[in-house]
Amino acid sequence: EVQLVQSGAEVKQPGESLTISCKASGYRFTTYWIGWVRQMPGKGLEWMGIIYPGDSETRYSPSFRGQVTISTDKSISTAYLQWSSVEASDTAMYYCARLTTDDYGHYYYGFDVWGQGTTVTVSS
Amino acid sequence: IQLTQSPSSLSASVGDRVTITCRASQDISSSLAWYQQKPGKAPKLLIYAASTLQSGVPSRFSGRGSGTDFTLTISSLQPEDFATYYCQQLNSYSFTFGPGTRVEIK
Repeated sequence: EVQLVQSGAEVKQPGESLTISCKASGYRFTTYWIGWVRQMPGKGLEWMGIIYPGDSETRYSPSFRGQVTISTDKSISTAYLQWSSVEASDTAMYYCARLTTDDYGHYYYGFDVWGQGTTVTVSS
Repeated sequence: IQLTQSPSSLSASVGDRVTITCRASQDISSSLAWYQQKPGKAPKLLIYAASTLQSGVPSRFSGRGSGTDFTLTISSLQPEDFATYYCQQLNSYSFTFGPGTRVEIK
């Protein structure tokens, strides 16, 4: 079974660093882009960025570039989303998701497999 | 590329035909996906490439359009379809989501 399993809920104080994870199983991790999506309380979906585990090529939404870092560890089929210093405005649910493409990887179809989400709460 | 959806919410009854519109600020060819999200759950991919049904998705869901104007239609609304629906463009490396359309029970 193809699945993405995310790390558990986090509660942080402003200024702390944070890393959340997304472990893939059931497919070849290095051949699919992985993306991160934010959903603030009661709000819509926001695409944050994607990474290709095969070569670590990363693309960020302009809204999140410089605010977070996306990375992977191929040896354990895991993607990460990290902050160097969280703020109250980072309070949200964060999803990782697998990006499916055409056979040549040229045409992006959508996020076909999603993690269960990680709740991040930042409060003093 | 910006996406708008209309309506932002709608009330409908079981068995109704429902159509949601998504409009892109520039031509995105057929690079559009539709998702369904229920409260407390991760989104689910319904349609990709504007009109291709994702495996396992009921055939009452259909998508149409290209360029800047797209629609998602539910031919006969079922109780399990009450949810929020999002479009997403994948034409460039900014995979923007639309603001969502909430489908509620009348």
